[in-house]
Amino acid sequence: DADVTQTPRNRITKTGKRIMLECSQTKGHDRMYWYRQDPGLGLRLIYYSFDVKDINKGEISDGYSVSRQAQAKFSLSLESAIPNQTALYFCATSDLGTGYTGELFFGEGSRLTVL
Amino acid sequence: AQSVTQLGSHVSVSEGALVLLRCNYSSSVPPYLFWYVQYPNQGLQLLLKYTTGATLVKGINGFEAEFKKSETSFHLTKPSAHMSDAAEYFCAVDPAGGTSYGKLTFGQGTILTVHP
Repeated sequence: DADVTQTPRNRITKTGKRIMLECSQTKGHDRMYWYRQDPGLGLRLIYYSFDVKDINKGEISDGYSVSRQAQAKFSLSLESAIPNQTALYFCATSDLGTGYTGELFFGEGSRLTVL
Repeated sequence: AQSVTQLGSHVSVSEGALVLLRCNYSSSVPPYLFWYVQYPNQGLQLLLKYTTGATLVKGINGFEAEFKKSETSFHLTKPSAHMSDAAEYFCAVDPAGGTSYGKLTFGQGTILTVHP
């Protein structure tokens, strides 16, 4: 099984609908992230969380919210989806233990299409 | 603002040829630098990283990259391309030298195609 699991892997929805993307990890990492990938733009950071009580906005947080339900779970919500939120979304984790090198560990992605 | 630029959104090589993917960055302090690879329908996985020390770093699958501070570059190379190398490659930087704690800045990606 994957260390970082995202659900759903694919979702098609309509404008105005509420959508939740879920992420769970078995790596035991404290830090979790949501990134968005668009063709030609690379990955951009939406939100990140350094522990259960710590949530921070990233570069492109408008229109998104997150919830850190437990150390292992980090959900991304679109309260009212719009077409320009069509993208591939990645959850990632990192370890702030000894020997930290900045490496991120990614899930397999959630492809969201907003019609 | 910190930035990462990958020169060439698409690179095409023949099997057995040299692979060269270019990455330039801007950072006000010594950065941590990364190359990630994304195979179709998969997440990103780390190819190699530079943090401190030796400027030539070796990664998985025969790839290597050299950190050149004077040129603010971190180009990725592989002497001989394999068909299995076909993927999208991302250069990323922690512009604060490890203290951005996972808040990486990514380049726009380079799609590598390998022809038989």
